[in-house]
Amino acid sequence: AQSVSQHNHHVILSEAASLELGCNYSYGGTVNLFWYVQYPGQHLQLLLKYFSGDPLVKGIKGFEAEFIKSKFSFNLRKPSVQWSDTAEYFCAVEPQDTGRRALTFGSGTRLQVQP
Amino acid sequence: DTGVSQDPRHKITKRGQNVTFRCDPISEHNRLYWYRQTLGQGPEFLTYFQNEAQLEKSRLLSDRFSAERPKGSFSTLEIQRTEQGDSAMYLCASSFPPDTQYFGPGTRLTVL
Repeated sequence: AQSVSQHNHHVILSEAASLELGCNYSYGGTVNLFWYVQYPGQHLQLLLKYFSGDPLVKGIKGFEAEFIKSKFSFNLRKPSVQWSDTAEYFCAVEPQDTGRRALTFGSGTRLQVQP
Repeated sequence: DTGVSQDPRHKITKRGQNVTFRCDPISEHNRLYWYRQTLGQGPEFLTYFQNEAQLEKSRLLSDRFSAERPKGSFSTLEIQRTEQGDSAMYLCASSFPPDTQYFGPGTRLTVL
């Protein structure tokens, strides 16, 4: 079975700082990868996704993520965070080759951006 | 609003009672998923439907849990004889393959 690790549980940054959130997964086959975001009081929203092709994926609100297959990683980045990026961020993986449709999520990273 | 909707948004119940939650997916989505999320954790998969067929169930889904999607549209998740450990946020998501899962706002269950 697959698993997802998000090593940073709580990150505090000042506005304009750069962000990188780690995500590593364990699964031997081909995967689809996702980052979801949950703003305070709101439901989970898709930030970006990777199915195939260019390993550098751009999402909404200036976020991007890079899939490095050899490292089983899909780290999320943003060059300059804003106070409105304060939220919880979840990485998720879905195997492509099993027909299993369930997403496996990491435990999340809580990002706090200070003005 | 054409997103995934869930009802109720909050449910407080006493241990031993039965509860039922409803999920209405995005209208053209034929896949519907249930997840459970506890504090400090990511969502955990419970079960999923393609149209009215329940195709997969997690080991997390004990015998006290049952889900249905009778006409391939809305779905219900019932928990019988609730326990305090059932307290969590129950999330519903829907998709139209091969697209992404879109999540609803969740139903927060508190078992006293």
